[in-house]
Amino acid sequence: QSALTQPASVSGSPGQSITISCTGTSSDVGYYNYVSWYQQHPGKAPKLLIYEVTNRPSGVSNRFSGSKSGNTASLTISGLQAEDEADYYCSSYTSSSTSVFGGGTKLTVL
Amino acid sequence: QVQLVESGGGVVQPGRSLRLSCAASGFIFSRYGMHWVRQAPGKGLEWVALISYDGSNKNYADSVKGRFTISRDNSKNTLYLQMNSLRPDDTAVYNCAKDGFCSGGTCYPHHFDSWGQGTLVTVSS
Repeated sequence: QSALTQPASVSGSPGQSITISCTGTSSDVGYYNYVSWYQQHPGKAPKLLIYEVTNRPSGVSNRFSGSKSGNTASLTISGLQAEDEADYYCSSYTSSSTSVFGGGTKLTVL
Repeated sequence: QVQLVESGGGVVQPGRSLRLSCAASGFIFSRYGMHWVRQAPGKGLEWVALISYDGSNKNYADSVKGRFTISRDNSKNTLYLQMNSLRPDDTAVYNCAKDGFCSGGTCYPHHFDSWGQGTLVTVSS
């Protein structure tokens, strides 16, 4: 049950787009289309942004989008806003019927 | 709307036990799997355990297997986490989370749909 690999930090200016990668293995990210993404502001509970690789729950801005290729999933945030500054985590359901998170990525809006 | 409220956290000595509870409301609790997820201070999220909607299936992270037990009481809309043989590296905020959602007759499982605010467990002598 090794954590998925995410970059520790990314940054971008308001209005720009950024992409956060999430690399796993053929037993998790590459096994199912059950990759999800979460946003966490300091001191707050995580919030679901994307489920099943590409799907947004109702109420989540369409500036957030997800994709996957092989064992690597990605979250793209377009039109960066100051309020997007937060920690972002990917997660995947695994072939062992467990779940695993990435180490998290801190997004700084310059 | 979905509400999940954790309780039972506190300071406990290494080797001792603690039981966490998660009171659920705003959805049909007995229809959904439930998770525990923890976050050590200043660290990332770590999945801990999952229980199926009826309690018949349970899965655990290797780091807690054999020490922690997840359970539920659907008559009380409550999820539990029994933590035994606690270690300092179990210190974390523990959150319960609802597994997926159902809409229009279709269910979308295997993600953390709604989260509680968490309860802090500190393991220290």
